[in-house]
Amino acid sequence: DVKVTQSSRYLVKRTGEKVFLECVQDMDHENMFWYRQDPGLGLRLIYFSYDVKMKEKGDIPEGYSVSREKKERFSLILESASTNQTSMYLCASGDPQPQHFGDGTRLSIL
Amino acid sequence: TQLLEQSPQFLSIQEGENLTVYCNSSSVFSSLQWYRQEPGEGPVLLVTVVTGGEVKKLKRLTFQFGDARKDSSLHITAAQTGDTGLYLCAGSARGGSEKLVFGKGTKLTVNP
Repeated sequence: DVKVTQSSRYLVKRTGEKVFLECVQDMDHENMFWYRQDPGLGLRLIYFSYDVKMKEKGDIPEGYSVSREKKERFSLILESASTNQTSMYLCASGDPQPQHFGDGTRLSIL
Repeated sequence: TQLLEQSPQFLSIQEGENLTVYCNSSSVFSSLQWYRQEPGEGPVLLVTVVTGGEVKKLKRLTFQFGDARKDSSLHITAAQTGDTGLYLCAGSARGGSEKLVFGKGTKLTVNP
């Protein structure tokens, strides 16, 4: 069974902390994606990666960075967490478009 | 900026009823995808449509892509409680593009 696995289902952090969200896929997809999902705003693309060490900004990259050192792993980094980054974060993989999503990380920044 | 408008935003029906959910845009899309998302889970891809006028069926679900590739509909026949969820449409502006534009979703509740 194909899988996209996100490291945490729930996470609580404090403002100013550096936060790492991890995602692993087992389908050998070239492309991986990070979205955030907020009520009334839908899914918005933060970053995506089309190859190891390659990345492209999505619609809302400010305050975030990403890392893809291995094909199966894509990390989202909040450099200095702020309360407006409280959200549901979804990782996806697919070629070329998102086909499989993880179950999400609900992140709260206090 | 391309936008996808979904309607209705919320829909509550009884088991056994039929329903249609719409996804509309003023822009042309090379392909359109439908997902279902259940509470506490990520979206699950149901179908991708790529040809104007295309109709795809998945058991009791029928998906149609408009002739002009600007709109799509999802029709569910004889809804079941297991159909409850958030239905999302997403479009790709050009063939092979990784980026999708997502609609805000239709929250469907099917009551027993």
